[in-house]
Amino acid sequence: KQEVTQIPAALSVPEGENLVLNCSFTDSAIYNLQWFRQDPGKGLTSLLLIQSSQREQTSGRLNASLDKSSGRSTLYIAASQPGDSATYLCAGIIQGAQKLVFGQGTRLTITP
Amino acid sequence: EPEVTQTPSHQVTQMGQEVILRCVPISNHLYFYWYRQILGQKVEFLVSFYNNEISEKSEIFDDQFSVERPDGSNFTLKIRSTKLEDSAMYFCASSESGPPRKYFGPGTRLTVL
Repeated sequence: KQEVTQIPAALSVPEGENLVLNCSFTDSAIYNLQWFRQDPGKGLTSLLLIQSSQREQTSGRLNASLDKSSGRSTLYIAASQPGDSATYLCAGIIQGAQKLVFGQGTRLTITP
Repeated sequence: EPEVTQTPSHQVTQMGQEVILRCVPISNHLYFYWYRQILGQKVEFLVSFYNNEISEKSEIFDDQFSVERPDGSNFTLKIRSTKLEDSAMYFCASSESGPPRKYFGPGTRLTVL
């Protein structure tokens, strides 16, 4: 059974710093990994999708990597801004399945 | 950019009542999903739907739940007899095919009293 874990549960950093959010999964048969942003009481905004043949994806100040052999993905945020404050969720799909399995999220606060 | 939409945004119901949550997936997508998030907990998969039938479901998706695509645009989740523990945010999602990027709607907050 696929389990996805995100550590830390909460993170606070000053504006302008670069930061890394971590995601680990138990099943190396993971096929895709998707990173989402969730603002309080709101829906899930897809940030990046890393497919099985890829090792990383970039969008603006965001870079996500996937290492299936170690069971880890990271989301790197460069030059953080207060508007980046949100909960960041990672979710994976294992091969042959359709469902996303979510981590519990990291609540990120960027302080001015 | 096309979006998944959901109605209503908030639904309050009495325990034991039936509720129907509605979703309009992105128009050229073929796979449809429901997930839920109980306050403070992980987002959980409920069901996936493809070619007018359920393709995968979780243990949560018991006989109290059903899904339907009544026409070419809507996708619904019905809970027959709501329980207090059904209170959660329910998210609809869609994708062009199974594995790639899933697009989520804004959610319906269901409150069961």
